[in-house]
Amino acid sequence: DIQMTQSPSTLSASVGDRVTITCRASQSISSWLAWYQQKPGKAPKYLIYKASSLESGVPSRFSGSGSGTEFTLTISSLQPDDFATYYCQQYNSFPYTFGQGTKLEIK
Amino acid sequence: QLQLQESGPGLVKPSETLSLTCTVSGDSISSSSYYWGWIRQPPGKGLEWIGNIYYSGSTYYNPSLKSRVTISVDTSKNQFSLRLNSVTAADTAVYFCARLPVNDAFDIWGQGTMVTVSS
Repeated sequence: DIQMTQSPSTLSASVGDRVTITCRASQSISSWLAWYQQKPGKAPKYLIYKASSLESGVPSRFSGSGSGTEFTLTISSLQPDDFATYYCQQYNSFPYTFGQGTKLEIK
Repeated sequence: QLQLQESGPGLVKPSETLSLTCTVSGDSISSSSYYWGWIRQPPGKGLEWIGNIYYSGSTYYNPSLKSRVTISVDTSKNQFSLRLNSVTAADTAVYFCARLPVNDAFDIWGQGTMVTVSS
């Protein structure tokens, strides 16, 4: 199985900050990586696919980059609605696997 | 607008079978452009992929669950289903169904349904 490791596990930041979350794969997954945002009691929301493609309707302050084994999700200017938990997921090969999540908290 | 809705018992006894159905509305489950999948999330923990199915019936399962899981599709009802047998407390989780465009990730999710395994 491909292991996905996110860092940090928790991130404290303020409205307006620029933040970056990292996701590392245990082997190359090319660009077959997605990012999701999840709020308490809700289903994950699809943000980014193929490592850097923004899903329709997702604000442009979200961006993704990377390929191979190292990927990042960047939020350019945090808004109050962005405080949530973020997950990466590889879909290069079965079994699909998720990172353990990064909780973005208000500082 | 595509919607997915999970349904099924919220409480299952240990050693019994968990059965859930995902009803798809707003599009045909028989589209050749999509797979359909199940994902679960234990309370306070991360996401675990369970498996995917294509409208033709082709399935892909997580090896960690493969011996206990069956995913099936009913195109006449626009539904797909999950069966997980011999459940234990470790199977307590929120279960989500979701759509996967071919060669893509889970773009549309159901709201999720909580299943508790307890006697």
